[in-house]
Amino acid sequence: GAGVSQSPRYKVAKRGQDVALRCDPISGHVSLFWYQQALGQGPEFLTYFQNEAQLDKSGLPSDRFFAERPEGSVSTLKIQRTQQEDSAVYLCASSWGSGSNQPQHFGDGTRLSIL
Amino acid sequence: GENVEQHPSTLSVQEGDSAVIKCTYSDSASNYFPWYKQELGKRPQLIIDIRSNVGEKKDQRIAVTLNKTAKHFSLHITETQPEDSAVYFCAATSNSGGSNYKLTFGKGTLLTVNP
Repeated sequence: GAGVSQSPRYKVAKRGQDVALRCDPISGHVSLFWYQQALGQGPEFLTYFQNEAQLDKSGLPSDRFFAERPEGSVSTLKIQRTQQEDSAVYLCASSWGSGSNQPQHFGDGTRLSIL
Repeated sequence: GENVEQHPSTLSVQEGDSAVIKCTYSDSASNYFPWYKQELGKRPQLIIDIRSNVGEKKDQRIAVTLNKTAKHFSLHITETQPEDSAVYFCAATSNSGGSNYKLTFGKGTLLTVNP
């Protein structure tokens, strides 16, 4: 596609439920990133993939957060046993090459609300 | 890790005036500085970026300057138009510890251009 695509755009879940958020990066982009954006704040780094390898997961808030990119294209961010503090917009970005000092192109995000 | 401070948090200008947003960063090894524009409910959109080997970059009404010694960089928008109204984020990638892909964002500046 022409840009980074994320689904769903909105997700409402009850506390304790598991959720899965999908990211389809720009075709051919090697690097993929997940960010969390709280209301009124800038995005915060969660994790980074180069192809199918997860090279950095230092930003994941807890072991309830898990991300994968098994075939080096589409990625899924999974949150288990959701809590209210997980409510945020989850943004995916992709970049060509290693992503080092290269433009990152963002999707529209998934707005997650935990009740 | 990298820390990015952004000022002001809100900025209101009259149409046709210039707008300046300033950011400082903490990691002297940082070498890539993008600026993003985010309209309400939409994706962060890359509007301009600068690398550490360049002091200034211009693209039509938008320019960015970088002062590596002082560790600050600024966004300049001239001849502002109402459609420039949005939240603007600065960001920096650091090049320390092998982590040169991770973007650290400022908290954002809400720019309002009054007709």
